[in-house]
Amino acid sequence: QQQVKQSPQSLIVQKGGISIINCAYENTAFDYFPWYQQFPGKGPALLIAIRPDVSEKKEGRFTISFNKSAKQFSLHIMDSQPGDSATYFCAAYNYGQNFVFGPGTRLSVLP
Amino acid sequence: NAGVTQTPKFQVLKTGQSMTLQCAQDMNHEYMSWYRQDPGMGLRLIHYSVGAGITDQGEVPNGYNVSRSTTEDFPLRLLSAAPSQTSVYFCASTLGPGANVLTFGAGSRLTVL
Repeated sequence: QQQVKQSPQSLIVQKGGISIINCAYENTAFDYFPWYQQFPGKGPALLIAIRPDVSEKKEGRFTISFNKSAKQFSLHIMDSQPGDSATYFCAAYNYGQNFVFGPGTRLSVLP
Repeated sequence: NAGVTQTPKFQVLKTGQSMTLQCAQDMNHEYMSWYRQDPGMGLRLIHYSVGAGITDQGEVPNGYNVSRSTTEDFPLRLLSAAPSQTSVYFCASTLGPGANVLTFGAGSRLTVL
């Protein structure tokens, strides 16, 4: 099955806090798991991505944690800032196939 | 580089009308696709193309038509608009089937009355 589940649907975090968004997939053929960030009125843009051969990838304040056995991965945003307020989509992909996106999480970071 | 360009940005249609959403990319990407974004539904694939002259259906193709006569352009046609097609539409492209970074356009917001 191609579905990617994502939670929560919305998230409110205070400035400086940690934002955590979770995703789960079922198709073990997926071999690439990106996160896309979308600001209002804009198209989604790649934020960070991970392959299943590593358990964690960090880029600045953004970290992906990956649990292959549980078929779950999550995005952690450390020291969340108001400028991080956006909708975040997790996705899954395998070679030659189409991307499958989660339903999205609307993050609001309060000043 | 302009990247992926979508027009129009906003459109209002009446039920039964037809229209075309335009998408053009200047990155020589072989793969192009159309998604619709609805609240709580994420991004759902409508149609995609792996190269000029080749198109295929995605998850939600009904009511939409596409063609790919050039590498650069991938228009999406609504044949007879319905209120259920009220949505934000995104065109996205990538270098080829093995490339794993999608570049999205800014979106086209369509309202069908």
